[in-house]
Amino acid sequence: QVQLVQSGAEVKKPGASVKVSCKASGYTFIDYYIHWVRQAPGQGLEWVGWINPSSGSTRYAQKFKGWVAMTRDTSITTAYMELSRLKSDDTALYYCARTRMMNPDDAFDVWGQGTKVTVSS
Amino acid sequence: QSALTQPPSASGSPGQSVTISCTGTSSDVGGFGYVSWYQQHPGKAPKVIIYEVSKRPSGVPDRFSGSKSGDTASLTVSGLQAEDEADYYCSSYAGNNNYVFGTGTKVTVL
Repeated sequence: QVQLVQSGAEVKKPGASVKVSCKASGYTFIDYYIHWVRQAPGQGLEWVGWINPSSGSTRYAQKFKGWVAMTRDTSITTAYMELSRLKSDDTALYYCARTRMMNPDDAFDVWGQGTKVTVSS
Repeated sequence: QSALTQPPSASGSPGQSVTISCTGTSSDVGGFGYVSWYQQHPGKAPKVIIYEVSKRPSGVPDRFSGSKSGDTASLTVSGLQAEDEADYYCSSYAGNNNYVFGTGTKVTVL
């Protein structure tokens, strides 16, 4: 079945970096955009950015430009999101999600299970 | 990019209807046809229930419906059921390859 499986929980110190993976299966990886969305504890959803798995092109939300990097490895159908210079308010559940069609503006029809990132000294 | 505005909470008795608003601007909700709604139960990932303003993915009950007027989109849940108790988020394409979510609405079934 179509699914996205993310890497496990991470605990990082302020100033460190974290790299979260999102393994796709059950569909053609390069045919759908992957978005990243985060949710702080008890808070709403916040869009981080997207990657086109076919070309590797990326777009990031303005607030994340300069400290987020999205990449992919098509040989293992996996997308990655790396956040650097972590702060305590980056503590959140990070989701990857697939677009419904090969259009970055479309809805997200498949979601990963989420990766909990905790930033604490 | 500011979050779209939703009421923090909404409620209804089983069988009743509840409507949730999602207010943006002409740069997001009002300017594009890519408004989606997501349902999120506690501890679970969001699930899309409406896309492109009013379309339902297969498997989503027709009790869920979406619409848009100007800069405000709406989600209506008719015939409210216990399992509809969840958080609901709207989202919209916001131009320049940007995306924005709503502030979220907690729906309670009384």
